[in-house]
Amino acid sequence: KNEVEQSPQNLTAQEGEFITINCSYSVGISALHWLQQHPGGGIVSLFMLSSGKKKHGRLIATINIQEKHSSLHITASHPRDSAVYICAASTGNQFYFGTGTSLTVIP
Amino acid sequence: KAGVTQTPRYLIKTRGQQVTLSCSPISGHRSVSWYQQTPGQGLQFLFEYFSETQRNKGNFPGRFSGRQFSNSRSEMNVSTLELGDSALYLCASSLEAWSEQYFGPGTRLTVT
Repeated sequence: KNEVEQSPQNLTAQEGEFITINCSYSVGISALHWLQQHPGGGIVSLFMLSSGKKKHGRLIATINIQEKHSSLHITASHPRDSAVYICAASTGNQFYFGTGTSLTVIP
Repeated sequence: KAGVTQTPRYLIKTRGQQVTLSCSPISGHRSVSWYQQTPGQGLQFLFEYFSETQRNKGNFPGRFSGRQFSNSRSEMNVSTLELGDSALYLCASSLEAWSEQYFGPGTRLTVT
């Protein structure tokens, strides 16, 4: 049983499309993190949120604490958005990771 | 401000040997966490250090250990290496425990 589930596992989109990646978790969290990993391994933290919604440029992250669900949206997707997106739940003494969503944006 | 650095970047070891990996956090960050990433298991939490104390540990055997120094630099050690320990080992630093994580580039360990 995975504490954090992501969907879809793989996603291919045309440049300009609106993209949504979903994350469900089963543990009590102190925060929910969205991470981006490019080929080669480097990981960047995109968002850390415990309620509501956050926006950074074309990226938006939302969380529904009651439903234990978070979404990452990418508006006007671009080929440089191609990466693996990972959802992670921190509980205050553990970090649980989803298996990642591999996104490919085609020009 | 310099980012998180990890050394070495690549390492090849033989089964049964031990290995020490190093992580230098962003200046001012007091929390360092370590993670293992494999194709089969994905990312998994190893342990978290704050002000030289290991405060949290993931579900890994005792062969995996670590420490943090007074300057917040951290090392992790894996003894009696097994083939399954081949992975990308990532460290991340943050201002406070469990706050926004800043990841290093990782050390890719291959055990033969």
